[in-house]
Amino acid sequence: QSVLTQPPSASGTPGQRVTISCSGSSSGIGSNTVNWYQQLPGAAPRLLIYSDDQRPSGVPDRFSGSRSGTSASLAISGLQSEDEADYYCALWDDSLFGVVFGGGTKVTVL
Amino acid sequence: QVQLVQSGAEVKKPGASVKVSCKASGYTFTGYYMHWVRQAPGQGLEWMGWINPYTGGTDFAQKFQGRVTLTRDTSISTAYMDLRRLRSDDTAVYYCARLRAQNTVTDALDIWGQGTMVTVSS
Repeated sequence: QSVLTQPPSASGTPGQRVTISCSGSSSGIGSNTVNWYQQLPGAAPRLLIYSDDQRPSGVPDRFSGSRSGTSASLAISGLQSEDEADYYCALWDDSLFGVVFGGGTKVTVL
Repeated sequence: QVQLVQSGAEVKKPGASVKVSCKASGYTFTGYYMHWVRQAPGQGLEWMGWINPYTGGTDFAQKFQGRVTLTRDTSISTAYMDLRRLRSDDTAVYYCARLRAQNTVTDALDIWGQGTMVTVSS
């Protein structure tokens, strides 16, 4: 079974670059692409990155994703106050035949 | 525009059932799998299961097997999540979410409903 591990929190000042990690197993991240979701306070999640590094239309290019081996990461460059939110990594797990979410990372803009 | 609109908040007693609806618009309802995800207060996202609106086929996370039913009414482009034998730890916001790509079950969730708060309390 795939488990995705994220740091509980991350922070930065406006304009800084913040990176969030998502680590997993060889049967999880090692085998499947990773998606990232942003959840603003009181709102539904929003797809931010899909297939490791693809941005849906409307997502600023300040957000970027990557995957290597059994880890993935989300980078936010030029951090802005409106980026203060929870961020979740997720992937499709072949053994569960379902979606697995990471525990989420709360990003604070100082 | 493409959107999912869910039914309103519910308050239920332990042991009861709840049925949440998710009405799709702006796209071909039967072309995209629909997933259900829940979020307990102050907690992370938890995947529950999916339905293929074209065939009606479903699958669920193991912890929900036997307690959840996913159905759809293609005539009104609406998906439903029915959760039985409610417990206090089922208190959560329940989301429906559409899969990004057509005719596959494995992809990102690109359109989300606004969420439905279900409170289980005696």
